[in-house]
Amino acid sequence: KAGVTQTPRYLIKTRGQQVTLSCSPISGHRSVSWYQQTPGQGLQFLFEYFSETQRNKGNFPGRFSGRQFSNSRSEMNVSTLELGDSALYLCASSYRGDTQYFGPGTRLTVL
Amino acid sequence: LAKTTQPISMDSYEGQEVNITCSHNNIATNDYITWYQQFPSQGPRFIIQGYKTKVTNEVASLFIPADRKSSTLSLPRVSLSDTAVYYCLVGKGGGGGNKLTFGTGTQLKVEL
Repeated sequence: KAGVTQTPRYLIKTRGQQVTLSCSPISGHRSVSWYQQTPGQGLQFLFEYFSETQRNKGNFPGRFSGRQFSNSRSEMNVSTLELGDSALYLCASSYRGDTQYFGPGTRLTVL
Repeated sequence: LAKTTQPISMDSYEGQEVNITCSHNNIATNDYITWYQQFPSQGPRFIIQGYKTKVTNEVASLFIPADRKSSTLSLPRVSLSDTAVYYCLVGKGGGGGNKLTFGTGTQLKVEL
């Protein structure tokens, strides 16, 4: 089976812009979760989607949003980018929200 | 959510067995214990998961005492390529939804 794929792998934006990241889960997996990883805060949970519905949410501002499509693919959007949003954004999929399988991540740099 | 505590770093030499212990005093009855490995700028990779006693796979072993308040990841005969950050997570498995919280992890450095 193909693993979790994320696009793009690298992204450079400027403050105030918005960005959309994409994640394709492992075939058959219905849960997609998003994480932000920074040197200072480590790996932090953003949110989880299951069957097109947000099931769990971490402590991030409303500028961070996501959605899931009927084929389980997910997108994450960050609006009004801030310098502090520079991070590695990781997507993980699982069958029902159990063992997470991570993608390679999208490295976002905000200038 | 159960919080985990791990050593920040560990050093080892090639060929040695490495044991990384994680404390999770507030683990809930239906929580599983999962370990991940992460290399720089890559996503974490699932290593092993268990609920109680001992679990072994081709990569590692996981020891969980009866009270489940701690767990130990055992890596047999480590090599340079095992240098990575290892995360211990506690959370629901089996369809309870993703409520996993990553701690700071343990930076393992393997030398010749």
